[in-house]
Amino acid sequence: SQELEQSPQSLIVQEGKNLTINCTSSKTLYGLYWYKQKYGEGLIFLMMLQKGGEEKSHEKITAKLDEKKQQSSLHITASQPSHAGIYLCGADISSNTGKLIFGQGTTLQVKP
Amino acid sequence: NAGVTQTPKFRVLKTGQSMTLLCAQDMNHEYMYWYRQDPGMGLRLIHYSVGEGTTAKGEVPDGYNVSRLKKQNFLLGLESAAPSQTSVYFCASSRRQGANPFDQPQHFGDGTRLSIL
Repeated sequence: SQELEQSPQSLIVQEGKNLTINCTSSKTLYGLYWYKQKYGEGLIFLMMLQKGGEEKSHEKITAKLDEKKQQSSLHITASQPSHAGIYLCGADISSNTGKLIFGQGTTLQVKP
Repeated sequence: NAGVTQTPKFRVLKTGQSMTLLCAQDMNHEYMYWYRQDPGMGLRLIHYSVGEGTTAKGEVPDGYNVSRLKKQNFLLGLESAAPSQTSVYFCASSRRQGANPFDQPQHFGDGTRLSIL
């Protein structure tokens, strides 16, 4: 079973629509990272969250970490074709050992 | 800005052959990592290093060896390749800062696509 679950696994939205991707763990998340990956390329760092209740935004992307630090959400406002790709959340659930685990990824398609 | 560079980008091996994947970073990062990415599995940590001359096992270390002889380089070796090692391999690096050494984002290379027949 996956220790870090992402939902949905895939998403198709019309350009201009908002969307949310969730990342859930049964354990406390010590540092939660969001990355974006385009097919055939490496991962691009988006945001990092550490504190319960923390929220960060960059351009049209907002990420939140809940108070219990067991779930994070990534919200995209007014989606554009450039937002298409695979979104991955990664986290350290073993208290600063450096052994990051990743969710299985959410594939986003944005229809023009 | 080169960042994290992986070589080669593609490789096809026969079962039983050996090879080494090279990762080089020019950001003076202390920490380096090797992951494999398989469909539906996300990324899984193979080995990592917290400094020159040190390595540690990750989630799926069996069948792989690593070496960090120089700070900027992290090598991943497959001594006897198996079809189960067909995957996309990613290298990443991060810097150390403060009391929590693992709270810095990892910077990834573009990956090495490895097929083992």
